[in-house]
Amino acid sequence: DTGVSQNPRHKITKRGQNVTFRCDPISEHNRLYWYRQTLGQGPEFLTYFQNEAQLEKSRLLSDRFSAERPKGSFSTLEIQRTEQGDSAMYLCASSGSGRMQFFGPGTRLTVL
Amino acid sequence: KQEVTQIPAALSVPEGENLVLNCSFTDSAIYNLQWFRQDPGKGLTSLLLIQSSQREQTSGRLNASLDKSSGRSTLYIAASQPGDSATYLCAAPEGSARQLTFGSGTQLTVLP
Repeated sequence: DTGVSQNPRHKITKRGQNVTFRCDPISEHNRLYWYRQTLGQGPEFLTYFQNEAQLEKSRLLSDRFSAERPKGSFSTLEIQRTEQGDSAMYLCASSGSGRMQFFGPGTRLTVL
Repeated sequence: KQEVTQIPAALSVPEGENLVLNCSFTDSAIYNLQWFRQDPGKGLTSLLLIQSSQREQTSGRLNASLDKSSGRSTLYIAASQPGDSATYLCAAPEGSARQLTFGSGTQLTVLP
């Protein structure tokens, strides 16, 4: 499968715990995006990497959120001290030289 | 700031009908507009990307149009099938930015 993959697919955690999600983009894609989607809404942009450089961060990305793409391949999104409001689907997308973005299956986070 | 609106929020049609989904955006200085499909609890599937220089893009039974001057795009689905039932999302960048701003989607139900 050469599409975007995300792990884990589901994560249930207690409020206050830290969680980390992983995204593996399409191999030849140098751009990687993180979005968050809540029920009934479209995805909202969180952050964007070109290779290993984090070029854009949304105001939605509070200090508790950090994203990395250390070698310009896979990326991780960490949420520290999770809150119930962090419950959402976290989506990763990648794009190459064109602008079409291809999305992964998402990680559904539930904070109890 | 780009804002994307999709109307209607939900649509139910009998199988075989042709239908049009609407999308409007506020920042007309866009490089492209992308249409996605999302099945319940799943990630997004890229359907079509229209470049700003194009007026239409076709893939199978799908045809997307773009009118930058009026800030509108439409997705035309010919001969609808029950398998087309899903939420359809349109997304546009803000100007030349890479990150996408999404509408809330149109939930389509095609009745057999």
